[in-house]
Amino acid sequence: AQRVTQPEKLLSVFKGAPVELKCNYSYSGSPELFWYVQYSRQRLQLLLRHISRESIKGFTADLNKGETSFHLKKPFAQEEDSAMYYCALISGGSNYKLTFGKGTLLTVNP
Amino acid sequence: DAGVTQSPTHLIKTRGQQVTLRCSPKSGHDTVSWYQQALGQGPQFIFQYYEEEERQRGNFPDRFSGHQFPNYSSELNVNALLLGDSALYLCASSLRFGWTTDTQYFGPGTRLTVL
Repeated sequence: AQRVTQPEKLLSVFKGAPVELKCNYSYSGSPELFWYVQYSRQRLQLLLRHISRESIKGFTADLNKGETSFHLKKPFAQEEDSAMYYCALISGGSNYKLTFGKGTLLTVNP
Repeated sequence: DAGVTQSPTHLIKTRGQQVTLRCSPKSGHDTVSWYQQALGQGPQFIFQYYEEEERQRGNFPDRFSGHQFPNYSSELNVNALLLGDSALYLCASSLRFGWTTDTQYFGPGTRLTVL
């Protein structure tokens, strides 16, 4: 069964500091991985997906198949980055359901 | 485009009752998925509808059922409510069924409280 683990429930950093939100997954195949974000009083929205290899709002995430990880990184955190972040995967093939981790609440302090 | 809309916003029911939640997908989207998000947890997949049929299902009992209408809107029904069904229920829509790279757009959710 596929599983997504986000080991940190809470993460607090200062503005300008680097930030890394950890995500590990368990799935034997080649899943598609995503990061979703929920800002205060807003709906859940896609931040980035590994297949696009894109950088959104300064965030990047690299898929490491050897370590089964998909950590989200940003070199200089901003206060507006404070939000709930969810890592998610789709196992692919004929399985289209998104499996989410429990989320990490990031707080960026001034 | 208002995006994905859900109604009602909040709902309070008692154990044993039945509830129906509604979702309208983003304009142009034909695939609707439902998720349950308990407090402190990530969203958990319930099922997905396309062409008015349930295409995928998560680990939820038969008390959870759904429907999709010709205009692509969808309903989630929960029978014989339990206290543990208290959660935020999220609806998400996507453009093309089966395209796993398609972005899922989420609605604001319906907060269900079972007393």
